[in-house]
Amino acid sequence: KNQVEQSPQSLIILEGKNCTLQCNYTVSPFSNLRWYKQDTGRGPVSLTIMTFSENTKSNGRYTATLDADTKQSSLHITASQLSDSASYICVVKIRNNDMRFGAGTRLTVKP
Amino acid sequence: DVKVTQSSRYLVKRTGEKVFLECVQDMDHENMFWYRQDPGLGLRLIYFSYDVKMKEKGDIPEGYSVSREKKERFSLILESASTNQTSMYLCASSPGGAGVINYEQYFGPGTRLTVT
Repeated sequence: KNQVEQSPQSLIILEGKNCTLQCNYTVSPFSNLRWYKQDTGRGPVSLTIMTFSENTKSNGRYTATLDADTKQSSLHITASQLSDSASYICVVKIRNNDMRFGAGTRLTVKP
Repeated sequence: DVKVTQSSRYLVKRTGEKVFLECVQDMDHENMFWYRQDPGLGLRLIYFSYDVKMKEKGDIPEGYSVSREKKERFSLILESASTNQTSMYLCASSPGGAGVINYEQYFGPGTRLTVT
């Protein structure tokens, strides 16, 4: 069983709409949580990093939340654009080089 | 701007062939990583290296080996390729030392390997 579960697996929305992606994790001890964006045919690129004490962090139209008590994180995308079409991967870091990756959510934004 | 490059974007090999995947980073990072990415499974760590000539097994090292003779280059070797090694292979690098816990990993574009 994956220790980092993402939902939904895939999502299709219309351009301009908002959406929220979920990440639940069971791993511990928790060090930090990153959201990555992976465009088709490219490697993942970091969007945000959240540490234990942070609840919300924004990066442009992307806002990540973290509830370390319930071990849940979300990534909210506002006013979606066609270029937001990608896979979004949640990664929880346990120790220095020990990370657990979610399987990703495949987002498609349609005109 | 950090750049991580991988030698091939697409590769087709036959079962039993020896396969070399090369990764080069230009930011003097101490840590380098090899992952494979399969649908529905997420990225899984094969090997990582935190210094020249140093290597550590990841979660799925079986059937793979690595080489790091120079700081900027990390090679993944499939000694005898098998069909279940058909996958997307991603290389990444990150700084080491103090503060490593919050350092970002920078990924290459990936190599899609097909073993027939």
